[in-house]
Amino acid sequence: GQNIDQPTEMTATEGAIVQINCTYQTSGFNGLFWYQQHAGEAPTFLSYNVLDGLEEKGRFSSFLSRSKGYSYLLLKELQMKDSASYLCAVRDGNYQLIWGAGTKLIIKP
Amino acid sequence: IAGITQAPTSQILAAGRRMTLRCTQDMRHNAMYWYRQDLGLGLRLIHYSNTAGTTGKGEVPDGYSVSRANTDDFPLTLASAVPSQTSVYFCASSEVAGVADTQYFGPGTRLTVL
Repeated sequence: GQNIDQPTEMTATEGAIVQINCTYQTSGFNGLFWYQQHAGEAPTFLSYNVLDGLEEKGRFSSFLSRSKGYSYLLLKELQMKDSASYLCAVRDGNYQLIWGAGTKLIIKP
Repeated sequence: IAGITQAPTSQILAAGRRMTLRCTQDMRHNAMYWYRQDLGLGLRLIHYSNTAGTTGKGEVPDGYSVSRANTDDFPLTLASAVPSQTSVYFCASSEVAGVADTQYFGPGTRLTVL
């Protein structure tokens, strides 16, 4: 079956750096997405990786290793507003999006 | 403001009742999707539509139906609601389907079936 694994919850300190990991096993691969979801709100797009390597976008970076079935989202200079759930989603060989359960990130002052 | 709207924001429904969740987008996106989100689980696709006039079944379609009469609207109907359909429902759209295309989400409908 297809599977996306992420830690359920992580805690980090304001101003620090945090890395949220995502491992996947899917039938085929056509890209990996990261979304941010604040409590009670809709998911919003953060990043997309289809080739191996690091994609940097401001304070957020996303890394992909297709051979390892692994990605991470790196958040730098954490701010209180970064407290949210971070969803990893993989587009499989049939171009369907498979979603992880999300990682709840708690930022402490 | 361009985007996706959903109605109602929340609803409490008696089991056995029929309910339609509304979704409208003004981005002229071809593809639209309905997901449900339950605690501890990832978003699960209920139904999708790659273009107006076509629909398809997702991972959890049972008990739900959709229609896509035009580009903008994609209503989701629960013919006879059951408590297991208590969830938060998100509508999403993307410019095209089946490619590296970002999905944009509506604000969600929180549905409770008693």
